Amino acid sequence: DAGVIQSPRHEVTEMGQEVTLRCKPISGHNSLFWYRQTMMRGLELLIYFNNNVPIDDSGMPEDRFSAKMPNASFSTLKIQPSEPRDSAVYFCASCGWRGDTQYFGPGTRLTVL
Amino acid sequence: AQSVTQLDSQVPVFEEAPVELRCNYSSSVSVYLFWYVQYPNQGLQLLLKYLSGSTLVESINGFEAEFNKSQTSFHLRKPSVHISDTAEYFCAVSLTQGGSEKLVFGKGTKLTVNP
Repeated sequence: DAGVIQSPRHEVTEMGQEVTLRCKPISGHNSLFWYRQTMMRGLELLIYFNNNVPIDDSGMPEDRFSAKMPNASFSTLKIQPSEPRDSAVYFCASCGWRGDTQYFGPGTRLTVL
Repeated sequence: AQSVTQLDSQVPVFEEAPVELRCNYSSSVSVYLFWYVQYPNQGLQLLLKYLSGSTLVESINGFEAEFNKSQTSFHLRKPSVHISDTAEYFCAVSLTQGGSEKLVFGKGTKLTVNP
């Protein structure tokens, strides 16, 4: 298996632009997680899905952030409009069942100028 | 609410020295516990986990952690570290919510192994 796939790996954009981050979980996994990592705040859970349904989005910082999982093999995290404080590394992770390992993707490094 | 405390944000050690990275958690229910490692510019990888059974769990690269229920701790140890162990280590506890599970992570401990 190729593991969790994220794209793009790096994104540089200007303030106000829309940014879309993509994630393909490991086949067969039914839970998907979006995290944000910064030096100041560490690793934060933004939202997670179980069987394509959002379970907890309490970590989503603002209405500018939205996430979708239209099917079991694809999820997006969108920021519109983007701001410099959104600059961070965004990780996607997936796992199969309770107690299972969460497998992380390589991350998307977002820089908003 | 469940939470995880990693008391040391940075731990510098010399090569071949022993190391202990501390992790304490708070939870009113049974938990699963995890240690993840993050090498520079990479995602997190599972190092080891405790689900049930023996309270001492080991990884393939010489790390071990012991679940201590009375002290609500899950400290990570290695008797002799290598330069290649330099990384950030995250302790995590599972939280079941709405039939699904998420992990609550600590702030991380940066381990730097010096020659």
